Amino acid sequence: SQTIHQWPATLVQPVGSPLSLECTVEGTSNPNLYWYRQAAGRGLQLLFYSVGIGQISSEVPQNLSASRPQDRQFILSSKKLLLSDSGFYLCAWSRDSDSYEQYFGPGTRLTVT
Amino acid sequence: AQKVTQAQTEISVVEKEDVTLDCVYETRDTTYYLFWYKQPPSGELVFLIRRNSFDEQNEISGRYSWNFQKSTSSFNFTITASQVVDSAVYFCALSGASGAGSYQLTFGKGTKLSVIP
Repeated sequence: SQTIHQWPATLVQPVGSPLSLECTVEGTSNPNLYWYRQAAGRGLQLLFYSVGIGQISSEVPQNLSASRPQDRQFILSSKKLLLSDSGFYLCAWSRDSDSYEQYFGPGTRLTVT
Repeated sequence: AQKVTQAQTEISVVEKEDVTLDCVYETRDTTYYLFWYKQPPSGELVFLIRRNSFDEQNEISGRYSWNFQKSTSSFNFTITASQVVDSAVYFCALSGASGAGSYQLTFGKGTKLSVIP
């Protein structure tokens, strides 16, 4: 069966510090991978998605970047965090075909102080 | 542009009552997919169902049932005989069927369901 991991689970970082969140998927190959952010108010916003190693599509221009160095690894980064980067970050995967359901990881709660 | 509206922000019901969560969507795609997810207090989104736009059959899974009506662009979710464990935020979502739109799930803002014992 497939499993998706995210770490860390919680993170408190000062404004201006760097960020690295990691997501890995087990039990499948060549998945589509996604990063979402859920800010207060519960809405989910797609930040990045990837259909393969080194292939990243950005949905929202912002202070964040993503990378996919390995088939089942997806990393969300920032060089300098802003207060507005606070939120709940969710990684998800889906099969490598159109419009399949996405399966979500446990999330990382980021607080920028 | 795609849009999903969940007009009910919060609902409270007493255990064993039935409850329906509403979802209305907008899309210009002729083929699309609809989803429901559950987010318990732990935060992880749990996939519940996917429905194709060309399949309007209603679906039942245990205490859960879904009513898809293309004519009114609605995809409502009913929980029968609600239980405390059903307390969560429920999200309706929409995606296109091909191209870049097929990778993006457009979520509603969610409905927070509280089941009172």
